Amino acid sequence: RKEVEQDPGPFNVPEGATVAFNCTYSNSASQSFFWYRQDCRKEPKLLMSVYSSGNEDGRFTAQLNRASQYISLLIRDSKLSDSATYLCVVAGSQGNLIFGKGTKLSVKP
Amino acid sequence: DAGVIQSPRHEVTEMGQEVTLRCKPISGHDYLFWYRQTMMRGLELLIYFNNNVPIDDSGMPEDRFSAKMPNASFSTLKIQPSEPRDSAVYFCASSLVFGELFFGEGSRLTVL
Repeated sequence: RKEVEQDPGPFNVPEGATVAFNCTYSNSASQSFFWYRQDCRKEPKLLMSVYSSGNEDGRFTAQLNRASQYISLLIRDSKLSDSATYLCVVAGSQGNLIFGKGTKLSVKP
Repeated sequence: DAGVIQSPRHEVTEMGQEVTLRCKPISGHDYLFWYRQTMMRGLELLIYFNNNVPIDDSGMPEDRFSAKMPNASFSTLKIQPSEPRDSAVYFCASSLVFGELFFGEGSRLTVL
């Protein structure tokens, strides 16, 4: 099993849609989780941390399921500007950060 | 703050040549990371430093790769000799808070 696994997509959705991405991780001891966003030919940028109790930031909701070892990102009322690749990030055993390959989202008018 | 600054932004070189990538982290950040990104493998951690000391270099592909951080405001990643399979985007990132990485714009390397 890969350390961090994501559905590569692409997810093609209309504006205003709700879309959800999942990410699974292999290290049950991982304690820290994040979602990053990467626009085409740009650098990754932190979108939000993922807390055990789940957390929300505007239209974005992140959740953690430790028992099943997955995290999720929900985007409500999607905008054209949400089009990007979303990277799931899990803290490794060495204190490093392991990035998934990303899920590509394309929001259409 | 200007953010993480990387140079060069683009580099095209021939196989066997030495390549040096440079990074200036955000002032005050005590962690510095070098990542490599390709379509096939995604973002891979090569090495990271804490307070200028290399902590984990297990991601460095082989002896052809080396990284240094002589002071808190400068780091280099060197490839010697370069090979076509080294072609990738190399990102430098710095952080103060664990998990909150600030990436530079990347150095796009093409080895012919």
